[in-house]
Amino acid sequence: DTAVSQTPKYLVTQMGNDKSIKCEQNLGHDTMYWYKQDSKKFLKIMFSYNNKELIINETVPNRFSPKSPDKAHLNLHINSLELGDSAVYFCASSHADRDHEQYFGPGTRLTVT
Amino acid sequence: AQTVTQSQPEMSVQEAETVTLSCTYDTSENNYYLFWYKQPPSRQMILVIRQEAYKQQNATENRFSVNFQKAAKSFSLKISDSQLGDTAMYFCAFIPRGHEKLTFGTGTRLTIIP
Repeated sequence: DTAVSQTPKYLVTQMGNDKSIKCEQNLGHDTMYWYKQDSKKFLKIMFSYNNKELIINETVPNRFSPKSPDKAHLNLHINSLELGDSAVYFCASSHADRDHEQYFGPGTRLTVT
Repeated sequence: AQTVTQSQPEMSVQEAETVTLSCTYDTSENNYYLFWYKQPPSRQMILVIRQEAYKQQNATENRFSVNFQKAAKSFSLKISDSQLGDTAMYFCAFIPRGHEKLTFGTGTRLTIIP
């Protein structure tokens, strides 16, 4: 029944490591997103994909690379993790041509030590 | 560029009372959507209510209603008969029609006191 799912929910890793977060949606949406929520709870969009094509790429370090193997999946790979990458990362999806409502996954809390 | 401002970082209210959360936004767009999202301690982002800018009628979802003032670029959320489960961060968000970028405000932490 889960609409937007993310794995893992928690991720603790050391500086310099490479890690991935996976996202899947079963809503039939054509657009998927990655957001970062910092320690002050501020939410900011990082990337957006529409039908596997990158359409939004905010000012994000090159160490972050999204990959969309198909419309239902959008993964986030992070290279050479830094302390400042610690945050909660949310995946979301929507049908951009319709009501613009974005449905969010449960979030992944990433802690870099 | 669009901006969304929530001027109340924290609010608290007694259970069963009514509370209003403020949100203002700045845009040159004429067609857009506004949302209120709730984020309880579980961290899940939950859509509470949405409003299309071209609709003059204020949106209502059970105990939640909005006061949408397009000319003033204001979009406040009213929670009636507040419940303990309403304790959460509340985010106002804006997106122009036909766009994908959702812009969030900084949030209001709402605490319902038993």
